[in-house]
Amino acid sequence: QSALTQPASVSGSPGQSITISCTGTYNDVGHYDYVSWFQQGPGEAPKALIYEVTKRPAGASDRFSGSKSGNTASLTISGLQAEDEGDYYCSSYTRSNTWVFGGGTKLTVL
Amino acid sequence: QVQPVESGAGVVHPGRSLRLSCAASGFTFSGYGMYWVRQAPGKGLEWVALISYDGSDTNYGDSVKGRFTISRDNSKDMLDLQMNSLRPEDTALYYCAKDRGGSRYGNDGVWHYSYYGMVAWGQGTMVTVSS
Repeated sequence: QSALTQPASVSGSPGQSITISCTGTYNDVGHYDYVSWFQQGPGEAPKALIYEVTKRPAGASDRFSGSKSGNTASLTISGLQAEDEGDYYCSSYTRSNTWVFGGGTKLTVL
Repeated sequence: QVQPVESGAGVVHPGRSLRLSCAASGFTFSGYGMYWVRQAPGKGLEWVALISYDGSDTNYGDSVKGRFTISRDNSKDMLDLQMNSLRPEDTALYYCAKDRGGSRYGNDGVWHYSYYGMVAWGQGTMVTVSS
């Protein structure tokens, strides 16, 4: 159960768009459209932003969008806001009937 | 508001046991797969266990397999995690999370369960394993 690969950190200025990548293998990201993205603020529980690669749960902002190509999924945040600062995690279902998370990406809004 | 509520936090010695619980709130518990996910202090998220909507299918992360047991009681809208042979590395904030749905497919009596992703999380309950 190797973790998915995410960049350790990304940054952007208010109003810009940024993309966070999440790379797995054919046994997880590349095999299923069951990739999710989560946002976690300091001292807070994770909050779902995207599930099934592109879908947003009720209450999630439409500034967050997801995509996938091959073994890599991506989260794009448009119109970056100061409140978007925090940690972002991806996860994927696997062929072993398990789930695996990425190591997390720290987003800094400059 | 759809939000699981965890309980059972505690400080235990290595080798001892602890049971966590998660109560469903704002949704029809029996219709959804459920998960436990943990986060060690200052670390990332780690998937611990899953259970199907009817409790027939379970699976575990390699680090807890054989020591932890996930179960559910749909008549009481409760999810549990029995943790045995606890180790210091099990020290973490444990989250309960709800799947997007719950379904199965198959034939000839062999069922496969579908899982879609964790769409609602609780606030977590802290487990500390220390001598």
